[in-house]
Amino acid sequence: GESVGLHLPTLSVQEGDNSIINCAYSNSASDYFIWYKQESGKGPQFIIDIRSNMDKRQGQRVTVLLNKTVKHLSLQIAATQPGDSAVYFCAENSGGSNYKLTFGKGTLLTVNP
Amino acid sequence: KAGVTQTPRYLIKTRGQQVTLSCSPISGHRSVSWYQQTPGQGLQFLFEYFSETQRNKGNFPGRFSGRQFSNSRSEMNVSTLELGDSALYLCASSFGSSSGNTIYFGEGSWLTVV
Repeated sequence: GESVGLHLPTLSVQEGDNSIINCAYSNSASDYFIWYKQESGKGPQFIIDIRSNMDKRQGQRVTVLLNKTVKHLSLQIAATQPGDSAVYFCAENSGGSNYKLTFGKGTLLTVNP
Repeated sequence: KAGVTQTPRYLIKTRGQQVTLSCSPISGHRSVSWYQQTPGQGLQFLFEYFSETQRNKGNFPGRFSGRQFSNSRSEMNVSTLELGDSALYLCASSFGSSSGNTIYFGEGSWLTVV
């Protein structure tokens, strides 16, 4: 039979361009958010995180923006490189004081040389 | 510093069997959580352990269980395997159990049920 899977949003960019990946989260009580990168056949790799008392955090070539009003998270990647090609997941901690990450369905980023 | 280590990486089981997966967290990390990843459901939380106590549990049937040892290593068990249990099982560890502690994932254990 036909398999049903998650239809990932996709983003295709040229090498050197900036990429913006968006995510809507579900729980207004979530207090911690993380972006992960997952390459084919590998586990999720931590990129950057942000607490709910912040609206922006910068790392090396990456910036995360948090808009609690509309429950929206974004990941900006500057000067995107072919090695950035992967599936990107946002995750929110909805477990209160104990961990229980709820993941978005992911975005497939393809960087064209 | 070694990352989160999961064994075995790949395994094939027959429907009705049971399986045990192992996870060694990053040295010093005391919180271990497990996730199931499938093409249809994405990444879903199974359970989280801290200091040998299960602190949180996802919406999975009782066939899925886990435990944590005094050295923080963890195992998860799936009994009476079903075809739908075929998935990538991911273990993650963090220093503490409270929100804000960075969570690192292992490479996962690929389970195929035939």
